[in-house]
Amino acid sequence: SSELTQDPAVSVALGQTVRITCQGDSLRSYYASWYQQKPGQAPVLVIYGKNNRPSGIPDRFSGSSSGNTASLTITGAQAEDEADYYCNSRDSSGNHLSVVFGGGTKLTVL
Amino acid sequence: QVQLQESGPGLVKPSETLSLTCTVSGGSISSYYWSWIRQPPGKGLEWIGYIYYSGSTNYNPSLKSRVTISVDTSKNQFSLKLSSVTAADTAVYYCARVVMEIYYYYMDVWGKGTTVTVSS
Repeated sequence: SSELTQDPAVSVALGQTVRITCQGDSLRSYYASWYQQKPGQAPVLVIYGKNNRPSGIPDRFSGSSSGNTASLTITGAQAEDEADYYCNSRDSSGNHLSVVFGGGTKLTVL
Repeated sequence: QVQLQESGPGLVKPSETLSLTCTVSGGSISSYYWSWIRQPPGKGLEWIGYIYYSGSTNYNPSLKSRVTISVDTSKNQFSLKLSSVTAADTAVYYCARVVMEIYYYYMDVWGKGTTVTVSS
């Protein structure tokens, strides 16, 4: 099956901009969705589709895509953005429709 | 506002079947896909499978031989059965509502998760 690859850890200074990336062949065909997960909590959807935010997600979160890479950008990172972030997409490798997650990126806000 | 709640045994013996139920409240189970996802301790998220309210399913190929997801629209619930469990199936299990169209798949509502430990 296809895979989605994320950097295990990324750090950003408070108030600065950070980009978290997700790479995989499936992203050439499907949009990624992004989830934020804080310790001991369920994941929360932060970006879906081309660049859509669910109600209640701050507009400092945005998404983009190019080729086989999807990106989640946080513009003006806040302390409360420190969390694990996972990408996710459909996958159609091997003639089987499936769903895949990236391995997750731990974001540290310094 | 739709809410999801997982329920089921927190401890399952090796080789037995794990059974969990997700109850949907605040909305109808109809017209949506519904998914199970798990997260082993200290690890990332793993998609287990999804079911449409009509009953059609799709499973993770790595788990397909052991997984069954079913739906009961009369109770607004869907369920997960995972057979022949081992310690590797120890995880937090989440249920989620899925929105899926041609070019995307996302899970916009999640349950809080339930911890299942496989141990004798």
